[in-house]
Amino acid sequence: GQSLEQPSEVTAVEGAIVQINCTYQTSGFYGLSWYQQHDGGAPTFLSYNALDGLEETGRFSSFLSRSDSYGYLLLQELQMKDSASYFCAPNAGNMLTFGGGTRLMVKP
Amino acid sequence: GAVVSQHPSRVICKSGTSVKIECRSLDFQATTMFWYRQFPKKSLMLMATSNEGSKATYEQGVEKDKFLINHASLTLSTLTVTSAHPEDSSFYICSADSLAGAYNEQFFGPGTRLTVL
Repeated sequence: GQSLEQPSEVTAVEGAIVQINCTYQTSGFYGLSWYQQHDGGAPTFLSYNALDGLEETGRFSSFLSRSDSYGYLLLQELQMKDSASYFCAPNAGNMLTFGGGTRLMVKP
Repeated sequence: GAVVSQHPSRVICKSGTSVKIECRSLDFQATTMFWYRQFPKKSLMLMATSNEGSKATYEQGVEKDKFLINHASLTLSTLTVTSAHPEDSSFYICSADSLAGAYNEQFFGPGTRLTVL
Protein backbone atom coordinates (compact mmCIF):
# COMPACT_ATOMS: atom_id res chain seq x y z
CA GLY A 1 0.00 0.00 0.00
CA GLN A 2 0.91 3.65 0.10
CA SER A 3 1.99 5.59 3.15
CA LEU A 4 3.60 8.90 3.92
CA GLU A 5 5.00 10.18 7.17
CA GLN A 6 6.17 13.64 8.06
CA PRO A 7 6.02 15.55 11.35
CA SER A 8 2.75 17.37 11.89
CA GLU A 9 4.26 20.52 13.40
CA VAL A 10 7.64 22.18 13.73
CA THR A 11 8.46 25.45 15.47
CA ALA A 12 11.66 27.43 14.94
CA VAL A 13 12.99 30.95 15.32
CA GLU A 14 13.93 33.43 12.64
CA GLY A 15 17.36 32.83 11.20
CA ALA A 16 17.45 29.19 12.26
CA ILE A 17 17.69 26.06 10.11
CA VAL A 18 14.87 23.52 9.98
CA GLN A 19 14.80 20.05 8.48
CA ILE A 20 11.46 18.43 7.64
CA ASN A 21 11.73 14.69 7.16
CA CYS A 22 9.54 12.54 4.97
CA THR A 23 9.36 8.78 4.69
CA TYR A 24 7.22 7.20 2.05
CA GLN A 25 6.00 3.94 0.72
CA THR A 26 4.53 4.03 -2.72
CA SER A 27 4.38 2.06 -5.93
CA GLY A 28 5.63 3.38 -9.23
CA PHE A 29 7.92 5.94 -7.61
CA TYR A 30 9.46 8.51 -9.95
CA GLY A 31 10.68 11.12 -7.51
CA LEU A 32 9.79 13.27 -4.52
CA SER A 33 8.28 16.73 -4.70
CA TRP A 34 7.90 19.35 -2.03
CA TYR A 35 5.16 21.97 -1.94
CA GLN A 36 4.54 24.95 0.28
CA GLN A 37 1.06 26.14 1.21
CA HIS A 38 0.19 29.24 3.18
CA ASP A 39 -3.12 29.28 5.02
CA GLY A 40 -5.98 29.79 2.59
CA GLY A 41 -3.65 29.69 -0.40
CA ALA A 42 -2.72 27.29 -3.15
CA PRO A 43 0.20 24.90 -2.89
CA THR A 44 3.28 26.12 -4.69
CA PHE A 45 6.08 23.96 -5.98
CA LEU A 46 9.37 24.12 -4.09
CA SER A 47 11.56 21.33 -5.37
CA TYR A 48 11.75 17.90 -6.94
CA ASN A 49 14.28 15.10 -6.50
CA ALA A 50 14.36 12.40 -9.11
CA LEU A 51 17.81 11.15 -8.14
CA ASP A 52 19.50 10.50 -4.83
CA GLY A 53 21.26 13.44 -3.32
CA LEU A 54 20.78 17.07 -2.49
CA GLU A 55 19.09 19.69 -4.65
CA GLU A 56 19.66 23.28 -3.62
CA THR A 57 17.44 26.21 -4.54
CA GLY A 58 18.35 29.34 -2.66
CA ARG A 59 17.52 28.98 1.02
CA PHE A 60 15.72 25.69 0.42
CA SER A 61 17.34 22.33 -0.23
CA SER A 62 15.81 18.93 -0.67
CA PHE A 63 17.36 15.52 -0.28
CA LEU A 64 16.34 12.08 -1.46
CA SER A 65 17.51 8.58 -0.66
CA ARG A 66 15.62 6.10 -2.80
CA SER A 67 17.07 3.08 -1.04
CA ASP A 68 15.77 4.38 2.30
CA SER A 69 12.48 5.73 0.89
CA TYR A 70 13.37 8.92 2.69
CA GLY A 71 13.73 12.56 1.91
CA TYR A 72 13.92 15.87 3.66
CA LEU A 73 13.42 19.54 3.04
CA LEU A 74 15.98 21.87 4.58
CA LEU A 75 15.07 25.49 5.14
CA GLN A 76 17.89 27.86 6.03
CA GLU A 77 17.91 31.42 7.33
CA LEU A 78 14.28 31.10 8.31
CA GLN A 79 12.06 34.11 7.78
CA MET A 80 8.63 34.85 9.22
CA LYS A 81 7.11 34.42 5.75
CA ASP A 82 8.26 30.80 5.78
CA SER A 83 5.48 30.01 8.27
CA ALA A 84 3.32 27.67 6.21
CA SER A 85 2.52 24.02 5.66
CA TYR A 86 5.02 21.92 3.77
CA PHE A 87 3.99 18.80 1.94
CA CYS A 88 6.16 16.03 0.60
CA ALA A 89 4.57 14.31 -2.35
CA PRO A 90 5.91 11.24 -4.11
CA ASN A 91 5.45 11.35 -7.87
CA ALA A 92 4.05 8.30 -9.60
CA GLY A 93 4.11 9.34 -13.20
CA ASN A 94 2.32 12.67 -13.29
CA MET A 95 0.33 11.98 -10.14
CA LEU A 96 1.17 13.28 -6.70
CA THR A 97 0.26 11.78 -3.36
CA PHE A 98 0.24 14.33 -0.57
CA GLY A 99 1.08 13.52 3.00
CA GLY A 100 -0.51 15.21 5.98
CA GLY A 101 1.89 18.10 5.74
CA THR A 102 4.15 19.74 8.29
CA ARG A 103 2.99 23.01 9.78
CA LEU A 104 6.03 25.22 10.28
CA MET A 105 5.73 28.13 12.68
CA VAL A 106 8.55 30.64 12.63
CA LYS A 107 8.81 32.83 15.70
CA PRO A 108 10.72 36.10 16.10
CA GLY B 1 5.43 30.91 -15.26
CA ALA B 2 2.41 28.68 -15.71
CA VAL B 3 -0.75 30.15 -14.21
CA VAL B 4 -3.90 28.30 -13.25
CA SER B 5 -7.06 30.16 -12.35
CA GLN B 6 -10.19 28.97 -10.59
CA HIS B 7 -13.63 30.49 -10.58
CA PRO B 8 -15.37 31.24 -8.34
CA SER B 9 -13.00 31.74 -5.43
CA ARG B 10 -15.83 31.48 -2.93
CA VAL B 11 -19.37 30.21 -3.24
CA ILE B 12 -22.17 29.83 -0.76
CA CYS B 13 -25.17 27.81 -1.80
CA LYS B 14 -28.24 26.19 -0.38
CA SER B 15 -28.43 22.49 0.24
CA GLY B 16 -29.70 20.62 -2.81
CA THR B 17 -28.32 23.01 -5.41
CA SER B 18 -25.51 22.29 -7.84
CA VAL B 19 -22.31 24.29 -8.04
CA LYS B 20 -19.88 24.46 -10.95
CA ILE B 21 -16.21 25.27 -10.41
CA GLU B 22 -13.99 26.16 -13.36
CA CYS B 23 -10.28 25.52 -13.61
CA ARG B 24 -8.31 27.16 -16.40
CA SER B 25 -4.69 26.99 -17.45
CA LEU B 26 -4.03 30.53 -18.65
CA ASP B 27 -0.76 30.37 -20.51
CA PHE B 28 -0.20 26.71 -21.26
CA GLN B 29 -2.09 23.67 -22.43
CA ALA B 30 -2.81 21.01 -19.88
CA THR B 31 -3.70 17.58 -21.09
CA THR B 32 -4.20 16.51 -17.50
CA MET B 33 -5.84 18.37 -14.67
CA PHE B 34 -6.34 17.17 -11.13
CA TRP B 35 -9.05 17.96 -8.63
CA TYR B 36 -8.30 17.93 -4.92
CA ARG B 37 -10.32 18.49 -1.81
CA GLN B 38 -8.85 19.89 1.36
CA PHE B 39 -10.30 20.16 4.84
CA PRO B 40 -8.94 22.77 7.27
CA LYS B 41 -5.36 22.05 8.29
CA LYS B 42 -5.47 18.75 6.46
CA SER B 43 -3.78 17.31 3.44
CA LEU B 44 -4.91 17.57 -0.15
CA MET B 45 -6.96 14.55 -1.13
CA LEU B 46 -6.96 13.71 -4.79
CA MET B 47 -10.52 13.34 -6.01
CA ALA B 48 -10.05 12.71 -9.69
CA THR B 49 -7.75 13.02 -12.64
CA SER B 50 -9.21 14.78 -15.63
CA ASN B 51 -7.90 14.14 -19.12
CA GLU B 52 -8.90 16.28 -22.05
CA GLY B 53 -11.41 14.55 -24.27
CA SER B 54 -11.89 11.50 -22.08
CA LYS B 55 -13.70 10.47 -18.95
CA ALA B 56 -12.20 11.44 -15.62
CA THR B 57 -10.59 8.84 -13.41
CA TYR B 58 -11.98 8.99 -9.89
CA GLU B 59 -10.19 7.96 -6.74
CA GLN B 60 -11.68 5.29 -4.55
CA GLY B 61 -14.53 6.59 -2.45
CA VAL B 62 -15.31 9.59 -4.65
CA GLU B 63 -18.80 9.46 -6.15
CA LYS B 64 -18.55 10.22 -9.85
CA ASP B 65 -22.25 11.03 -10.08
CA LYS B 66 -21.91 13.57 -7.30
CA PHE B 67 -18.74 15.21 -8.54
CA LEU B 68 -19.08 15.61 -12.28
CA ILE B 69 -15.90 16.47 -14.10
CA ASN B 70 -15.67 17.71 -17.65
CA HIS B 71 -12.41 18.48 -19.43
CA ALA B 72 -13.68 19.93 -22.68
CA SER B 73 -10.52 21.65 -23.85
CA LEU B 74 -6.80 21.74 -23.19
CA THR B 75 -7.25 24.79 -20.99
CA LEU B 76 -10.50 24.17 -19.11
CA SER B 77 -11.77 21.59 -16.68
CA THR B 78 -14.95 21.93 -14.65
CA LEU B 79 -16.07 20.26 -11.44
CA THR B 80 -19.79 20.26 -10.71
CA VAL B 81 -20.90 19.37 -7.21
CA THR B 82 -24.41 18.09 -7.74
CA SER B 83 -27.13 18.30 -5.10
CA ALA B 84 -24.68 19.78 -2.64
CA HIS B 85 -25.04 19.09 1.06
CA PRO B 86 -23.32 20.67 4.07
CA GLU B 87 -20.81 17.82 4.22
CA ASP B 88 -19.61 18.87 0.77
CA SER B 89 -18.40 22.16 2.23
CA SER B 90 -14.68 22.23 1.65
CA PHE B 91 -11.79 23.85 -0.17
CA TYR B 92 -11.57 22.52 -3.71
CA ILE B 93 -8.29 22.97 -5.57
CA CYS B 94 -7.40 22.08 -9.11
CA SER B 95 -3.98 21.65 -10.60
CA ALA B 96 -2.66 21.25 -14.10
CA ASP B 97 0.22 19.17 -15.27
CA SER B 98 3.04 20.99 -17.00
CA LEU B 99 5.02 19.08 -19.53
CA ALA B 100 7.33 22.00 -20.15
CA GLY B 101 9.90 21.18 -17.51
CA ALA B 102 11.67 18.10 -16.24
CA TYR B 103 10.14 18.14 -12.82
CA ASN B 104 6.60 16.84 -13.39
CA GLU B 105 5.50 19.96 -11.58
CA GLN B 106 1.85 20.58 -10.99
CA PHE B 107 0.58 24.14 -11.01
CA PHE B 108 -2.23 24.76 -8.59
CA GLY B 109 -5.16 27.09 -8.86
CA PRO B 110 -6.00 29.41 -5.96
CA GLY B 111 -8.81 27.15 -4.78
CA THR B 112 -12.56 27.51 -4.34
CA ARG B 113 -14.09 27.70 -0.90
CA LEU B 114 -17.51 26.03 -1.03
CA THR B 115 -19.96 26.51 1.81
CA VAL B 116 -23.25 24.64 1.66
CA LEU B 117 -25.92 25.91 4.02
